[in-house]
Amino acid sequence: DAGVIQSPRHEVTEMGQEVTLRCKPISGHNSLFWYRQTMMRGLELLIYFNNNVPIDDSGMPEDRFSAKMPNASFSTLKIQPSEPRDSAVYFCASSAARDPDTQYFGPGTRLTVL
Amino acid sequence: LAKTTQPISMDSYEGQEVNITCSHNNIATNDYITWYQQFPSQGPRFIIQGYKTKVTNEVASLFIPADRKSSTLSLPRVSLSDTAVYYCLVGAYSGYSTLTFGKGTMLLVSP
Repeated sequence: DAGVIQSPRHEVTEMGQEVTLRCKPISGHNSLFWYRQTMMRGLELLIYFNNNVPIDDSGMPEDRFSAKMPNASFSTLKIQPSEPRDSAVYFCASSAARDPDTQYFGPGTRLTVL
Repeated sequence: LAKTTQPISMDSYEGQEVNITCSHNNIATNDYITWYQQFPSQGPRFIIQGYKTKVTNEVASLFIPADRKSSTLSLPRVSLSDTAVYYCLVGAYSGYSTLTFGKGTMLLVSP
């Protein structure tokens, strides 16, 4: 099993640019989570999908952030326009219906907005 | 969601047993207790989960007293590679699962 795959692993961009982070969950998992981690705020849940449907997006910081899950094997997190305060490590995680509390995390995308 | 409280950091030496305690005074009847481990530059990794009494796997043991208001993660004979952040989470499965990660406990194992 390849585990959760995220791309890119590192992204450096300039303020105002659009950033798209990608995630491929583990095959067969029906839940997908996007998290953001910073030193100041720790690990924060941004949005949660179940069976490709957004269930809880209360953690999305503002309208500049959007997430989609067009199918069971792919999700994107988009930031438009990006700001320096968006710099963080973004993690994607997935879990299976039979064991929903065991989340499998990807390696993360380290985003730097200059 | 039940709030958890755990020490910010702990220090230990190789070969020692480490016990990390987490308080969750407002735990609900349906809540499970789950621990994750995060190494630098990696995503968190599931370690162990329990509801009551004791659970043991190849990595750790989890002790939960009868009142379930706290739990203790026990790591036997730690090594340098156990240096990581350990998160205690409390939540209930209700068809959908969302777990809230706190700041965790930074465990530093020294030679």
